[in-house]
This record gives sequence, C-alpha cells and structure tokens, in this order.
Amino acid sequence: GQNIDQPTEMTATEGAIVQINCTYQTSGFNGLFWYQQHAGEAPTFLSYNVLDGLEEKGRFSSFLSRSKGYSYLLLKELQMKDSASYLCAVRDSNYQLIWGAGTKLIIKP
Amino acid sequence: ETGVTQTPRHLVMGMTNKKSLKCEQHLGHNAMYWYKQSAKKPLELMFVYNFKEQTENNSVPSRFSPECPNSSHLFLHLHTLQPEDSALYLCASSQEQENSPLHFGNGTRLTVT
Repeated sequence: GQNIDQPTEMTATEGAIVQINCTYQTSGFNGLFWYQQHAGEAPTFLSYNVLDGLEEKGRFSSFLSRSKGYSYLLLKELQMKDSASYLCAVRDSNYQLIWGAGTKLIIKP
Repeated sequence: ETGVTQTPRHLVMGMTNKKSLKCEQHLGHNAMYWYKQSAKKPLELMFVYNFKEQTENNSVPSRFSPECPNSSHLFLHLHTLQPEDSALYLCASSQEQENSPLHFGNGTRLTVT
C-alpha cells in the first residue's frame, strides 16, 4: 500500500529552527508538496519538490531525497503565526496525490 | 482570500435531511475536487472533475452526490448522512498539470446529528 509518515505533533520555541520530516512509500513519484493549514482555515501551498535537493523560499525551505523516500520542511526564525498543521503530499505514478495526516506545530514564546 | 469560496462554513443536519455544499473558484482552473478531512487522518479524495467531467469517484457512498455545472462551480449534495460523515469538507481547484498545487477553500464543517 501507499503511505506517508509524518510526526503527529512537534513543539518549538519562537525564534528557533524546526525541521518537520516526511517519509513516503508510493507507487512511483511525480513530485512532493508541502501545505500549511491554520486551524479552521484552508490548507495553503508552501513548496513543491520534484528533483533532489533543497528549495528555499524565505524562512521556509524544503528538501527532497528520492532515493530515500524522504523530505523535510525547515522553518527558520519561528514566529507565533507559524503555529499550524503542516501537510506532506506525494504524487504517485498515476498522478494521484497521497496525503500524510499532518504535523501539528506548536510554537511557544 | 484563497480564490476558492465555500458555503456554508458550518452545517448541522439530521440524518434524514437533504443539504448541499457549494464551491466556487475564481482562478480560472480546469479541475475541481472534493476532499473529506477528519481529525488526525490524511485528506481523503472524494471526487475530481476535469473540464466539468467527473474523472474520479473514490468509492464514495451514494449518499454523497457531486454536481459540476461549469468549470467554476462545484456542489456536493448530501442525503441521509450518518454521524460518521461528520468532518470538514474541503473543495479545491487546480490547473491540470503535474506541478500545479491545489488551491483550497476554507471548508464546510459538517456535523450530522
């Protein structure tokens, strides 16, 4: 079967750095997405990786290793507004999106 | 403002009621989706429409009935639901290409009593 694994919950301190990991086992690979979802709001697109390496976008970076079936989202200079759930999703060989259950990130002052 | 608008935001209905969820996208996308989001579970794809044609129905019970009258509007008609259908229902749209992200609405929080 197809599976995406993410930690259920993480806690970090304002101003610090946090890394949210995502491992996947899918039938084929056609890209990996990260989304942010604040409570009661829509998931919003953060990043897309299809080739190995690091994609940087301001305070947020996303890394992909296709050989390891692994990605992480790196958040720097954490702010209270970064408290949210972070969803990892992979497109498989049929271009279907396989979703993880999300990681709830709690930022403490 | 996400470009995808869903109404209502909250809905409470009894098991014998009939109601409809509405979604409208203002992004010019050619694909629209219904997802179910339950606590601590991955998003579950329910239906996909490409160019107004339904291309995906992930074994969804017949008490959920989608309708896509044009490329900007999507409905989910609900009939004789069960309490386990209580969840957040998310509509999304995208361009039909592999690196195109989904744009989600804020969802309808559905409670079946």
